[in-house]
Amino acid sequence: DGGITQSPKYLFRKEGQNVTLSCEQNLNHDAMYWYRQDPGQGLRLIYYSQIVNDFQKGDIAEGYSVSREKKESFPLTVTSAQKNPTAFYLCASNVAQGSAGELFFGEGSRLTVL
Amino acid sequence: AQKVTQAQTEISVVEKEDVTLDCVYETRDTTYYLFWYKQPPSGELVFLIRRNSFDEQNEISGRYSWNFQKSTSSFNFTITASQVVDSAVYFCALTGMDSSYKLIFGSGTRLLVRP
Repeated sequence: DGGITQSPKYLFRKEGQNVTLSCEQNLNHDAMYWYRQDPGQGLRLIYYSQIVNDFQKGDIAEGYSVSREKKESFPLTVTSAQKNPTAFYLCASNVAQGSAGELFFGEGSRLTVL
Repeated sequence: AQKVTQAQTEISVVEKEDVTLDCVYETRDTTYYLFWYKQPPSGELVFLIRRNSFDEQNEISGRYSWNFQKSTSSFNFTITASQVVDSAVYFCALTGMDSSYKLIFGSGTRLLVRP
């Protein structure tokens, strides 16, 4: 089945540790996105990538890093510099950035900092 | 700048009631696109509908209907004869050149349908 796979679903981290969230898609989409969701708030864009080896900061990129070495993969690293990393993280893809098409989402990764 | 407002934080209804979720948007674009997504407890956002700014026809899909009114910058979503399975968080979203075609989300409305 075509779709987006995020892992892990749940993750616990101690303060000061970096953690990497995985996002893989087999939809052959060029554009991929990372969003953060906090309770009672909408989704806020962290980073997005329009094509392999290229990515841009979204609205809340501080404390996060990404890479796009393969079309199907867009991992997100939450670094120790992120002040409040506990949140629900959603990965999404689109045929192409700027296409105004629908985004396809993964099931999310819930990160808790202890 | 683009903005989406969903003023209803949470709505609770009894099964079989009709319910309307409000969405008001702001944009400087003349061409833009509006979306509704459903987020069930599993967490994944599920696409429901996309509307472009030149198509003001209301749309109906089964128990779901959407009312797009450019005059009031609103794109409201109605569920007729609600069911328990409709319980979820619903997001309205907007994209256009004004946001470099990034999707701007509202804060969501949590709908609880009680049996």
